[in-house]
Amino acid sequence: GENVEQHPSTLSVQEGDSAVIKCTYSDSASNYFPWYKQELGKRPQLIIDIRSNVGEKKDQRIAVTLNKTAKHFSLHITETQPEDSAVYFCAASRAAGNKLTFGGGTRVLVKP
Amino acid sequence: DTAVSQTPKYLVTQMGNDKSIKCEQNLGHDTMYWYKQDSKKFLKIMFSYNNKELIINETVPNRFSPKSPDKAHLNLHINSLELGDSAVYFCASSQETQGIETQYFGPGTRLLVL
Repeated sequence: GENVEQHPSTLSVQEGDSAVIKCTYSDSASNYFPWYKQELGKRPQLIIDIRSNVGEKKDQRIAVTLNKTAKHFSLHITETQPEDSAVYFCAASRAAGNKLTFGGGTRVLVKP
Repeated sequence: DTAVSQTPKYLVTQMGNDKSIKCEQNLGHDTMYWYKQDSKKFLKIMFSYNNKELIINETVPNRFSPKSPDKAHLNLHINSLELGDSAVYFCASSQETQGIETQYFGPGTRLLVL
């Protein structure tokens, strides 16, 4: 089955700096890669996703890149703000209707 | 107008008891899920139902039994609760759109077994 590794497990950045979280996956048939943000005591919420036919996607201060050959994808947050502090999860799935396999999560702390 | 809701939000109970968690979604989605998030924040799928039919059943003890009375509801019943069952349980739902199934999570049920 699919295995998703996520690094780093914790990330501390100064407000205004960039944050990068990296994930690798094992199943070459995976074609959908969402990222979820979970604030303390809250539910995971989708912030951005990418399909395998796209190499990069941006939404304001967040961007995701995908390298299908190397089987890794990354989340980039620019101009970080204190409200970006949360746990971020990457995930991968093969196709619609199939299960999401989550990475272990990255706890991001943005210091003012 | 809550999209995915769960009850109860908190559940504190003794070892050996039987308890149920309920989930409802008003998004009209066909697929619903149960996830377990342990103390280290690791999110792991337990079950998935599509139109009331079980489609994913991960390696979960038989003490956990999901039930889907209709496609808007997916309940989780747990028998003979153990200390290790303490976790946050998230329900989620999804609907395929152009080959993508974005999952929307409920607020979670924090279960503490004493």
